[in-house]
Amino acid sequence: QSALTQPPSASGSPGQSVTISCSGTSSDIGGYNYVSWYQRHPGKAPKLMIYDVTKRPSGVPDRFSGSKSGNTASLTISGLQAEDEADYYCSSYAYRNSYPNAIIVFGGGTKVTVL
Amino acid sequence: QLQLQESGPGLVKPSETLSLTCSVSGASTSRSNFYWGWIRQAPGKGLEWIASIHYGGKTFYNPSLKSRVSMSIDTSKNHFSLNLGSVTAADTADYYCAREDSETSDNAFDIWGQGTMVTVSS
Repeated sequence: QSALTQPPSASGSPGQSVTISCSGTSSDIGGYNYVSWYQRHPGKAPKLMIYDVTKRPSGVPDRFSGSKSGNTASLTISGLQAEDEADYYCSSYAYRNSYPNAIIVFGGGTKVTVL
Repeated sequence: QLQLQESGPGLVKPSETLSLTCSVSGASTSRSNFYWGWIRQAPGKGLEWIASIHYGGKTFYNPSLKSRVSMSIDTSKNHFSLNLGSVTAADTADYYCAREDSETSDNAFDIWGQGTMVTVSS
């Protein structure tokens, strides 16, 4: 069971928007602005799409945006395109009361389907 | 351009130790702002962070694996390694090495290797 909770699937038609949620706790998402999102196509390595909740690495289209409210982060893909069909994983820095304290946690992943 | 490449046996017997190395090209493993990590994905499962290391020796481990995991870094060879002991079938997964850059995307992995599949089986 993953530390962060994501819906297993999401879908949308080309041109539409889709939003993926990622739920955590005050010890991870809610406590720090270190939420990141990864895209993974089958057989390929994950690709960083969003970091620090809202920032996009160079080369990532601005159709991808991130946000956070309380203990829940979200990834929105606007203007959905066929190549956006992939698995998406959220991740967060987390601080635990027991050693080891500083860790990184992932969500279980959301499969985005472009209809 | 920074590139990472995992290497190691594709098949490990149960109870033995899984050893992987990540060779880094295009940048030095001794850059003070770089952390190096291992992440895996078991069949049908999500991503799981295993551990991260800094060249200065600071190491961070996933609590659920800590008793079986060790990481090391060899800046002279510009690579870092993972050892996972007492493996079981549950450790069968694609294993990825990756980089964190604390100056830009702290606590996020911005560069990944292609991954290597490891199967635990007798």
